[in-house]
Amino acid sequence: AQKITQTQPGMFVQEKEAVTLDCTYDTSDPSYGLFWYKQPSSGEMIFLIYQGSYDQQNATEGRYSLNFQKARKSANLVISASQLGDSAMYFCAMREGRSGGSNYKLTFGKGTLLTVNP
Amino acid sequence: SAVISQKPSRDICQRGTSLTIQCQVDSQVTMMFWYRQQPGQSLTLIATANQGSEATYESGFVIDKFPISRPNLTFSTLTVSNMSPEDSSIYLCSATHDREQYFGPGTRLTVT
Repeated sequence: AQKITQTQPGMFVQEKEAVTLDCTYDTSDPSYGLFWYKQPSSGEMIFLIYQGSYDQQNATEGRYSLNFQKARKSANLVISASQLGDSAMYFCAMREGRSGGSNYKLTFGKGTLLTVNP
Repeated sequence: SAVISQKPSRDICQRGTSLTIQCQVDSQVTMMFWYRQQPGQSLTLIATANQGSEATYESGFVIDKFPISRPNLTFSTLTVSNMSPEDSSIYLCSATHDREQYFGPGTRLTVT
């Protein structure tokens, strides 16, 4: 079974509107971390946001927030007030085990291509 | 955060040759990694670069093909050896900083 599932190959949003990118995950480890990255056409991977499995509150970073629903094993990324520069591929990823432990590997989803329309 | 630089940013290489990619982090980090992203695909971990010892390779990746060095806590190199067109990919260096994990800008490699 896939560990990270992103069911939306592509998404469209109007400039200034909010958009939610879906991510579900599968793990039996009680300790894990969830990441979102943005990859523009230049190829760089830009870290957006991190959520630890024991974090009490949903993570937020500026216009990015992570809607973490532990029981449903979902970690959706919400981008508020979309901008044209937000057009890119977005990847959800998971690291199992505590940070600093031996389970260091990031497992990535297949990504969602977001297009922001003017 | 950690700022990671890589060079070269891109290269076009001939089949059978080798390319060494350099990765520099702006602060001392515990864990450094090398990932590969084949065209239209997601990222796959090649190996963990261990400081002062041999790298730890993931299944499907071997040292003879992807030798890695990490002489200190801020620098690592990845060599893609005896290249074939199937090696055409983006190669990304990555490092952990606290709980977060950052990536370099990537090296876009085309093998002809």
